[in-house]
Amino acid sequence: SAVISQKPSRDICQRGTSLTIQCQVDSQVTMMFWYRQQPGQSLTLIATANQGSEATYESGFVIDKFPISRPNLTFSTLTVSNMSPEDSSIYLCSVQRSSTATDTQYFGPGTRLTVL
Amino acid sequence: KNQVEQSPQSLIILEGKNCTLQCNYTVSPFSNLRWYKQDTGRGPVSLTIMTFSENTKSNGRYTATLDADTKQSSLHITASQLSDSASYICVVSADDYKLSFGAGTTVTVRA
Repeated sequence: SAVISQKPSRDICQRGTSLTIQCQVDSQVTMMFWYRQQPGQSLTLIATANQGSEATYESGFVIDKFPISRPNLTFSTLTVSNMSPEDSSIYLCSVQRSSTATDTQYFGPGTRLTVL
Repeated sequence: KNQVEQSPQSLIILEGKNCTLQCNYTVSPFSNLRWYKQDTGRGPVSLTIMTFSENTKSNGRYTATLDADTKQSSLHITASQLSDSASYICVVSADDYKLSFGAGTTVTVRA
């Protein structure tokens, strides 16, 4: 398994501001992902965090709004920029040890964001 | 578009009883199917993962089945406990690491 921590666990922010969420894994992993889970809904993949290069974003998500860093194999950050109330959601980091399709994806505890 | 449909949306069962959750998918090509348990306020936790060649897999009181021909899966919970109250999410993967998530079934176990 993998032990994943996220900071902060929750935050309440004003519209127009930005928040950076940190994801730390207890061991090196190949794949790191960022998901969003809006209230009452399932998870939506925002992007794949690539070590040493730009993240790969899914349709509907752009780098200017959700800049991502991944400086090494155990750490990544997601920034939610210029926030609006529509960004209120749970943001989850997940990791996969290898790039094999059958490998387990482990999820962090999530960061609950409320934008006023 | 790859889709994962789960039923029922929610259910309530008495402690000690069994229940079965359903998942139908249209993801193609198919690599594997996973069931996750998500407690309120927590990230999902993997219960089982099955590939095309597997038709059943157990994890304690949780038993998952897969029929790759009909593109259906089920998750059976035996002798439910209060701690089983959670959302159960069916997740299907194509031949890469990207996952397609169902909306989940919310299970409430009552004493």
